[in-house]
Amino acid sequence: AQTVTQSQPEMSVQEAETVTLSCTYDTSESDYYLFWYKQPPSRQMILVIRQEAYKQQNATENRFSVNFQKAAKSFSLKISDSQLGDAAMYFCAYRSKTGTASKLTFGTGTRLQVTL
Amino acid sequence: GAVVSQHPSWVICKSGTSVKIECRSLDFQATTMFWYRQFPKQSLMLMATSNEGSKATYEQGVEKDKFLINHASLTLSTLTVTSAHPEDSSFYICSASTGSRYEQYFGPGTRLTVT
Repeated sequence: AQTVTQSQPEMSVQEAETVTLSCTYDTSESDYYLFWYKQPPSRQMILVIRQEAYKQQNATENRFSVNFQKAAKSFSLKISDSQLGDAAMYFCAYRSKTGTASKLTFGTGTRLQVTL
Repeated sequence: GAVVSQHPSWVICKSGTSVKIECRSLDFQATTMFWYRQFPKQSLMLMATSNEGSKATYEQGVEKDKFLINHASLTLSTLTVTSAHPEDSSFYICSASTGSRYEQYFGPGTRLTVT
């Protein structure tokens, strides 16, 4: 079974600065998806960014980018130019490519605080 | 596009009663729906996966007779918590997938409080 580990329960960043959230995972599969989800106080899960394992290029979405190290099974999220609205819980998630709609396995989450 | 709704958003029920939570995909057909449970300050734990027209697949440790899941149409899945107890109080989130894409679309969640 796959596992996802987020070792940082809480992180803090000043507005306009850059922060990196860590995620490691364990799997025996060679192709899969990795995701970062944001859960603000409203508790609505929002997809931030996704990465397909077979793609070597790191995914980027505006201020959000990932550092995907497949051999090390590491998938960190970098948030640049942090904004107050970035304050939320961030969950790293793994999804197998086996089957048409495989389940997501979530990490324990990192709470990000953004300070002025 | 890809909007998922849940109803109700918050429900309070008495111990021993049953409560039903609806999950609807508003603008797409969801071949698969997932139900998660989230305790305060914790991660999402998958409870079950349901495919339209077939029985749900429950995760280990989830009581299928307590958490009844029905996925009768491509746009609606329901979770019924039977004989609810205070320990069932939690935040329940559904998500839906078209089956052909990688992404799950999440509903806004339902807060269940059992008194």
